[in-house]
Amino acid sequence: QKEVEQNSGPLSVPEGAIASLNCTYSDRVSQSFFWYRQYSGKSPELIMSIYSNGDKEDGRFTAQLNKASQYVSLLIRDSQPSDSATYLCALTPGGAQKLVFGQGTRLTINP
Amino acid sequence: GAVVSQHPSRVICKSGTSVKIECRSLDFQATTMFWYRQFPKQSLMLMATSNEGSKATYEQGVEKDKFLINHASLTLSTLTVTSAHPEDSSFYICSASAGTAAGPTGNTIYFGEGSWLTVV
Repeated sequence: QKEVEQNSGPLSVPEGAIASLNCTYSDRVSQSFFWYRQYSGKSPELIMSIYSNGDKEDGRFTAQLNKASQYVSLLIRDSQPSDSATYLCALTPGGAQKLVFGQGTRLTINP
Repeated sequence: GAVVSQHPSRVICKSGTSVKIECRSLDFQATTMFWYRQFPKQSLMLMATSNEGSKATYEQGVEKDKFLINHASLTLSTLTVTSAHPEDSSFYICSASAGTAAGPTGNTIYFGEGSWLTVV
């Protein structure tokens, strides 16, 4: 089983709708979770970090973490075409500093 | 936010030659730097972790004699791809951290812009 699993997509969402991205992980000791956005040909940029169970909101983005079920999700409200990108879920395994990434979900927002 | 710069952003080299990619933290001291490789339509794969002044720790399956990493100062790490082959063509990305632990008690990890390597 991969450490971090995501549905590779593509996921298509109409403009203005809510985009929901999911990620599951295998290492129960993982403490820190991150969502990155990566545009084609560019380096990933950090959108959200979450460390505790529950929801964390930042503007149009909400990250949700459920350590018991070992999943983390990202909701994007009022989706915009500029949100079209690949979204990468990442975590620090076993408390280590290195980041381990999922394979990413390609999201397309249709005008 | 903190800035991590990579150079060159794009490089083309001939098969069999070596190429060096630099990663610099511009406004903070990077205790730890990470090197990733990303093939088209795939995720980032961690190659190695380097701490200033010590040998890099390579991930399983990464040839340390082929991918030489030097973290000689707190602001500079270099990745040298030796005897490059076309299959080494990829997007190489570095990231840097000011601390020794990520997350709520540690430090944010900042990514460089990436370097495209094409071996012909």
